[in-house]
Order: sequence, then C-alpha cells, then structure tokens
Amino acid sequence: DTGVSQNPRHKITKRGQNVTFRCDPISEHNRLYWYRQTLGQGPEFLTYFQNEAQLEKSRLLSDRFSAERPKGSFSTLEIQRTEQGDSAMYLCASSGEATGEETQYFGPGTRLLVL
Amino acid sequence: RKEVEQDPGPFNVPEGATVAFNCTYSNSASQSFFWYRQDCRKEPKLLMSVYSSGNEDGRFTAQLNRASQYISLLIRDSKLSDSATYLCVVNPPGGGGNKLTFGTGTQLKVEL
Repeated sequence: DTGVSQNPRHKITKRGQNVTFRCDPISEHNRLYWYRQTLGQGPEFLTYFQNEAQLEKSRLLSDRFSAERPKGSFSTLEIQRTEQGDSAMYLCASSGEATGEETQYFGPGTRLLVL
Repeated sequence: RKEVEQDPGPFNVPEGATVAFNCTYSNSASQSFFWYRQDCRKEPKLLMSVYSSGNEDGRFTAQLNRASQYISLLIRDSKLSDSATYLCVVNPPGGGGNKLTFGTGTQLKVEL
C-alpha cells in the first residue's frame, strides 16, 4: 500500500498523559499536513511541513502540541498533558507540489480518546 | 460567520434520485475549491475539484459561482454507495494551496 499511513489507529489515554502519533506520507510527497476532526465537524487545519520545515501553525495548536518532521519524510505529532477536549480524530495528509500533484491525500487517522 | 457553510442534512433520498448540495464561503479571495467525500469513520477522499467553468465527472457535476461565493454539487441517478458525508472545501487566500478549510459536511443517505 503506497498511501498515507498513520499509527496508531486508536489511542486511549488518561488525562494528563503524553501521546505521540506518527504519519508516513506518500513517499514522493514533500508536503505534509496535520488536521483534527471532532464529531459532526469537518477537519480543522493544525499545521503543515514542506520537507522538514514547519511553515504554518494554526492557533488551534496550543503549546501542548508539537509536530516534527526531522528528515522530511515521516512526521510525529505529540500532545503533552492531554485534556478531555483533545479527544478527536487526528488526520495526516500529504501532497507533492514538487511533482505537480497538489491534491491532499489523507491517511486513515488516529482516533484519540482522553478519559 | 463560518468560513465555509453547508447544510448538515441528512438528505434521505431514494435510489435513482437527483440530489444537490450547496455551500457558501466567506472569503471572496479564495482560490481553489473542492468536494471531498467521507465515509463513516474513514478519512476524507477527494471527489472532485471545482472550476469556474463547472465540471462534470460521470454522475457528479460541480459548479462555482464566484460572484455569489457559492459552490454546488449535483449527484444524478444516486446509488446506495453514494451514502456518505460530502465536505465542501476551500483553499483560502494566503494558504498557498496548503491550508484547506472544510465545511461541516452534508450527510447523504440513499435508500432503496
């Protein structure tokens, strides 16, 4: 499967714990995006990377959230001191502007439940 | 006002019906427009891009009216497999093609 992959697919944690999610984009794509989706809403943009550079962050991304893409390939999204309001689906997408492909392709998401 | 507004539905239609979804966006300088489809508990998938001249892909037709800041999606001869949530998506100015803004989605249920 050469699509976007995300791990884990599901995560249950207790309030106050730290969690980390991983996204592996389509291999030739240089842009990677993180979105968050809550029930009954559309996805909301969190941040995006071009290669290893984080070029934009939403105001939704509080200080407890940090994202990295150290080698310009996979990315991690870490949430520190989780709160119940962090419960959501975290979606990763990638696109390949360098190859002329601007469509964002989404991964299956990581569903987070904070108890 | 929300950046992208859609009627959440649900739209319950019989198989074979024609159904239309509408969407409005607030920023007149928005550059790109899309319809994505999302099945229950799955990721969004691009259905089609929307161009000023309108575009058609099989049973699906998308229209853009920049003057009214209005986007539409028409589904003809609907199938059971069309049941899903349809997300109206806009790329706002300054996004550089990067930051997609999604509506809340319109839920479609096609019934026998």
